Amino acid sequence: NAGVTQTPKFRVLKTGQSMTLLCAQDMNHEYMYWYRQDPGMGLRLIHYSVGEGTTAKGEVPDGYNVSRLKKQNFLLGLESAAPSQTSVYFCASSSAGTGYGYTFGSGTRLTVV
Amino acid sequence: TQLLEQSPQFLSIQEGENLTVYCNSSSVFSSLQWYRQEPGEGPVLLVTVVTGGEVKKLKRLTFQFGDARKDSSLHITAAQPGDTGLYLCAGVRATDSWGKFQFGAGTQVVVTP
Repeated sequence: NAGVTQTPKFRVLKTGQSMTLLCAQDMNHEYMYWYRQDPGMGLRLIHYSVGEGTTAKGEVPDGYNVSRLKKQNFLLGLESAAPSQTSVYFCASSSAGTGYGYTFGSGTRLTVV
Repeated sequence: TQLLEQSPQFLSIQEGENLTVYCNSSSVFSSLQWYRQEPGEGPVLLVTVVTGGEVKKLKRLTFQFGDARKDSSLHITAAQPGDTGLYLCAGVRATDSWGKFQFGAGTQVVVTP
């Protein structure tokens, strides 16, 4: 059971470069999310999707874009990386409905220099 | 300012001792969850509580949702080194849509043999 798979696991970018983080889930979950985790600040929601072809902004969406062309995949793009985007990024998925928790991926550690 | 305030931020105890972690807010939540995260991994769901006053037990872990659904606690009895990790509470405000989970900053628990 793969659950939620994130690629890559580590990446170093130069300021201004772009990249895409891939998230794939095999649980047929409707909802998918991208979070960033920074020391002392907890997990902050970047963007989320409630179904194929739909996306919505979370708490900290600036500088990021997302796409959900297929139900099982949720892509996070950084258009022009900045040092402030250095963080650990987590993808999660969940079933629709009250009471269902998240299944998280193992994270991507991104450093922007 | 975090919507969900966790205390303490850090807790170091000896094996066999008991501990309690708190999660507090001024907002009412329709559901609240607890996760445990180990280094280099994503958070793993421990429990979901949805009813004010609800108490759930998971082996040596006891979770309680406040009567007013504004707070929660996690109590570990006879802690073991395997309980070491970052404990996160997360909830959906009663006024938000299902997809918008808010996370606390976490409590780092270290249990030494």
